[in-house]
Amino acid sequence: SQQGEEDPQALSIQEGENATMNCSYKTSINNLQWYRQNSGRGLVHLILIRSNEREKHSGRLRVTLDTSKKSSSLLITASRAADTASYFCATDDFNKFYFGSGTKLNVKP
Amino acid sequence: EAGVAQSPRYKIIEKRQSVAFWCNPISGHATLYWYQQILGQGPKLLIQFQNNGVVDDSQLPKDRFSAERLKGVDSTLKIQPAKLEDSAVYLCASSYSPVAGGNNEQFFGPGTRLTVL
Repeated sequence: SQQGEEDPQALSIQEGENATMNCSYKTSINNLQWYRQNSGRGLVHLILIRSNEREKHSGRLRVTLDTSKKSSSLLITASRAADTASYFCATDDFNKFYFGSGTKLNVKP
Repeated sequence: EAGVAQSPRYKIIEKRQSVAFWCNPISGHATLYWYQQILGQGPKLLIQFQNNGVVDDSQLPKDRFSAERLKGVDSTLKIQPAKLEDSAVYLCASSYSPVAGGNNEQFFGPGTRLTVL
């Protein structure tokens, strides 16, 4: 089975609101990455957080990592309609790479 | 910088036929990945190459799937014979990663959508 599992499976919000997605995993990791996938641009890397980091920011994105709980969260602030996509966490446990099942985010204008 | 190239973009075959996909990674990227993404699911890693050596192929159905990366550059993934459950998008990705387990993002190609009838 896949290592990372996202929660919720689907999320619908209004433009301007914040969106939070969670990811849980099972084993020790080297790093955890978040990707976005939409029909127009395919899979695109958003942010990477190393196992010794607790929080990372990139523009409107904020990622946290809690290795004791084996979980991560992705926060998108001030969401836009263009953020509508599926978001996946991916864990790298040094030699094996696993994607979760994804969260479908719908941002309504 | 050119991205990851894949071909064909779409393929429709009958079950029990053979099919091959091609991937050309970003120049200079040592690591190449093939993923299978079934509709509604996340990508599943099939095989990971570091240059022309295999790092991980634990989820590759080796009775029907094969992959090679000659000369450590482009790669082909083959399915022979195809089954109905092989219908999926096959994604190729590459990363700089000079060593396995490096902290590098993956760059994905557009994928090949395979339909097995």
